[in-house]
Amino acid sequence: AQSVTQLDSQVPVFEEAPVELRCNYSSSVSVYLFWYVQYPNQGLQLLLKYLSGSTLVKGINGFEAEFNKSQTSFHLRKPSVHISDTAEYFCAVRDSGGYQKVTFGTGTKLQVIP
Amino acid sequence: EAGVAQSPRYKIIEKRQSVAFWCNPISGHATLYWYQQILGQGPKLLIQFQNNGVVDDSQLPKDRFSAERLKGVDSTLKIQPAKLEDSAVYLCASSSAVEQFFGPGTRLTVL
Repeated sequence: AQSVTQLDSQVPVFEEAPVELRCNYSSSVSVYLFWYVQYPNQGLQLLLKYLSGSTLVKGINGFEAEFNKSQTSFHLRKPSVHISDTAEYFCAVRDSGGYQKVTFGTGTKLQVIP
Repeated sequence: EAGVAQSPRYKIIEKRQSVAFWCNPISGHATLYWYQQILGQGPKLLIQFQNNGVVDDSQLPKDRFSAERLKGVDSTLKIQPAKLEDSAVYLCASSSAVEQFFGPGTRLTVL
């Protein structure tokens, strides 16, 4: 069984400030990790993914995340946020190999304050 | 490349009524997923198809929910009868490998 924990349900941050959205996971096997963004009344859009290799992953819209196996974390960061980044962000995990289902966290609402 | 299509976008029904949602995945994607996203929660997998076979339906409430994927292409999800707690956004996604592509979702309100 696998699980994902997003401890922060809401994160307010001023425009142009840096932000970190935290994600911790648990799994007994190797995993793939994902961050998705969801704008109001829309589906989920993939921001970035970690499959293997370099632990620092760069995604769209200036976001990046670092895979830390020892701490079982995959925190999302952006050095300078914009108003347009206001959305809900979901961390997800999938066991590598086979037709394994994806487990999502409960989401973090990022509110960028002008 | 066309994305995942879903219809309707919104649906309001009364409890005990029936409802059906339709999903057309990206062409060539063998895997199709239906998720339920209740307000304030992350998406929860209801059912996963590989071509037209079911891979995982462990969280599908089979007494009221059903889904099919005829010919391994588009899919329908049905709820019969609906309950108040079924109010949610129903997301369809498809994939050819690891990455999932999501449709816009259907927002269901059960009164």
